[in-house]
Amino acid sequence: AQKITQTQPGMFVQEKEAVTLDCTYDTSDPSYGLFWYKQPSSGEMIFLIYQGSYDQQNATEGRYSLNFQKARKSANLVISASQLGDSAMYFCAMREGRGSSNTGKLIFGQGTTLQVKP
Amino acid sequence: EPEVTQTPSHQVTQMGQEVILRCVPISNHLYFYWYRQILGQKVEFLVSFYNNEISEKSEIFDDQFSVERPDGSNFTLKIRSTKLEDSAMYFCASSEVLDRVWNQPQHFGDGTRLSIL
Repeated sequence: AQKITQTQPGMFVQEKEAVTLDCTYDTSDPSYGLFWYKQPSSGEMIFLIYQGSYDQQNATEGRYSLNFQKARKSANLVISASQLGDSAMYFCAMREGRGSSNTGKLIFGQGTTLQVKP
Repeated sequence: EPEVTQTPSHQVTQMGQEVILRCVPISNHLYFYWYRQILGQKVEFLVSFYNNEISEKSEIFDDQFSVERPDGSNFTLKIRSTKLEDSAMYFCASSEVLDRVWNQPQHFGDGTRLSIL
């Protein structure tokens, strides 16, 4: 079973508008972290924002916010006031708290390609 | 801001040859990771390394792969006899060692694009 699911292979948004990228997750671990990374066409992985499973409030970081709905097991990324430079692949990832090694490897979703139109 | 650095940025190798990918993690980080991303696909975990030993590895990380921390700064991934299907982007990542490891972000290098001919 997929632990991280991103159902939108590709999204378009008009410059200056807001966009939501979907992410659902599956874990029985009560301790986990959810992360979003941006991968521009140049290939590097850029950390954007994270949400811990015990955090009461949704995370925000500049124009990025995370709509965390624990009961639904969703952690959607909201980008406000889209810019042309936001065009990239976006990955949702999870890091679980327990496990035999507890090294907390990241488990990634398939990614969503976002294109911002001028 | 401190960053993870990877070399080389692009490596082209003949099938069957050995290749070593190099990484310098962020200096105060003690958890190290290798991931790979086949073109157009998702990022897959290969191996994690802590306290000078492998702490977890995936099914992909078979006997052809090995990791090493030869000194206090470098972290290497070796592929002994490369295959065509090893062609991918390889990312090194590191994170801090804190009580709650699960809520610490991993910081990635820019990746090494490995092309096997």
